Amino acid sequence: NAGVTQTPKFQVLKTGQSMTLQCAQDMNHNSMYWYRQDPGMGLRLIYYSASEGTTDKGEVPNGYNVSRLNKREFSLRLESAAPSQTSVYFCASRDRADTEAFFGQGTRLTVV
Amino acid sequence: AQSVTQPDIHITVSEGASLELRCNYSYGATPYLFWYVQSPGQGLQLLLKYFSGDTLVQGIKGFEAEFKRSQSSFNLRKPSVHWSDAAEYFCAVGPYAFYNTDKLIFGTGTRLQVFP
Repeated sequence: NAGVTQTPKFQVLKTGQSMTLQCAQDMNHNSMYWYRQDPGMGLRLIYYSASEGTTDKGEVPNGYNVSRLNKREFSLRLESAAPSQTSVYFCASRDRADTEAFFGQGTRLTVV
Repeated sequence: AQSVTQPDIHITVSEGASLELRCNYSYGATPYLFWYVQSPGQGLQLLLKYFSGDTLVQGIKGFEAEFKRSQSSFNLRKPSVHWSDAAEYFCAVGPYAFYNTDKLIFGTGTRLQVFP
């Protein structure tokens, strides 16, 4: 089983460039999440989607947009990348609020 | 503001010693509580979870956690640490039961180092 798949695994951007991080899950989960992980700051929620067609802001949404394309896919877009967005990004999914969240392997993004 | 606090950034223990990692939350009611572990360069794995009922919950790899409503805490414990337990540990809170939201909020993590 693939679980949660993130692409790409690594990316280097120049300041001002745009890119989309892709996430797909094959577990038929309702909820999907995007987090960023920075040293000393844990995982911070960027956006989440409780069901297909809905998205909500998390703790640090500024500079990001998301699309819940269908039940499987939840993409994160950086319209104009900034060095402060250098981070490791994790996608996660789960079926309901009382169930385990499954995580992808992460995307390491560097903005220069 | 609603939050999750892990007061210990870094803990060092000797192999075989006991371990307690602290987690406090600040929500108006008992949320859903989770502990995850992240090994170096890896994704996150669920250790255990608490929703209701018995306040002492057992998880994988010999870990347990105790929910204390009066202290708004959900501390993770292990009686005897193994070298392979060296990792980063995250407490997470889902306030669904009270706020009807599917958010899942993580603490800042505690890095565990184990000496032989």
